[in-house]
Amino acid sequence: EAQVTQNPRYLITVTGKKLTVTCSQNMNHEYMSWYRQDPGLGLRQIYYSMNVEVTDKGDVPEGYKVSRKEKRNFPLILESPSPNQTSLYFCASSWTGATEAFFGQGTRLTVV
Amino acid sequence: ILNVEQSPQSLHVQEGDSTNFTCSFPSSNFYALHWYRWETAKSPEALFVMTLNGDEKKKGRISATLNTKEGYSYLYIKGSQPEDSATYLCASNNAGNMLTFGGGTRLMVKP
Repeated sequence: EAQVTQNPRYLITVTGKKLTVTCSQNMNHEYMSWYRQDPGLGLRQIYYSMNVEVTDKGDVPEGYKVSRKEKRNFPLILESPSPNQTSLYFCASSWTGATEAFFGQGTRLTVV
Repeated sequence: ILNVEQSPQSLHVQEGDSTNFTCSFPSSNFYALHWYRWETAKSPEALFVMTLNGDEKKKGRISATLNTKEGYSYLYIKGSQPEDSATYLCASNNAGNMLTFGGGTRLMVKP
């Protein structure tokens, strides 16, 4: 079954404790991206990657890092989480930025 | 940062009503316009991706049109059903690979 898998689904952490949210896709897609969703603001792109070892900043990259060492995986790293990074995060993959995106199940992160 | 706007923000309709929403986006350096359907507690799912001016796409009772010259797209739902209740998102891909989403239109269909 074609899917995008994010882990964990829910996470409560403390300010400053490094965390990684994993994202994996099994469709051999070249393009992967991370979004955060906040009430009243819609989905905002954090980072995207057009292929292995190629990553670019989206609209709201501050406080986040990503890596794309293999085509299927695109982890989101928060080196020093802060409460303003409390949000619902989605990973997505597609063939390009101009083709339909397949979204993961979402990760609800709370930073206290 | 691109400005992608959707209206209305929310909409309540009766079962059987037809309805439509608007998405406006920058027309310069346009590549593609996406529509997604997002049900509560689920992930967004793609409805349409359109690239050409004048494109019209249809999936069952849902259809969409695209005007790239003036920078707008309409999503139509014919004969709304309670299961159509969801947030409908549009997203624009301009001059590159960034995808910018609008704030969404939340549709509630009353039985």
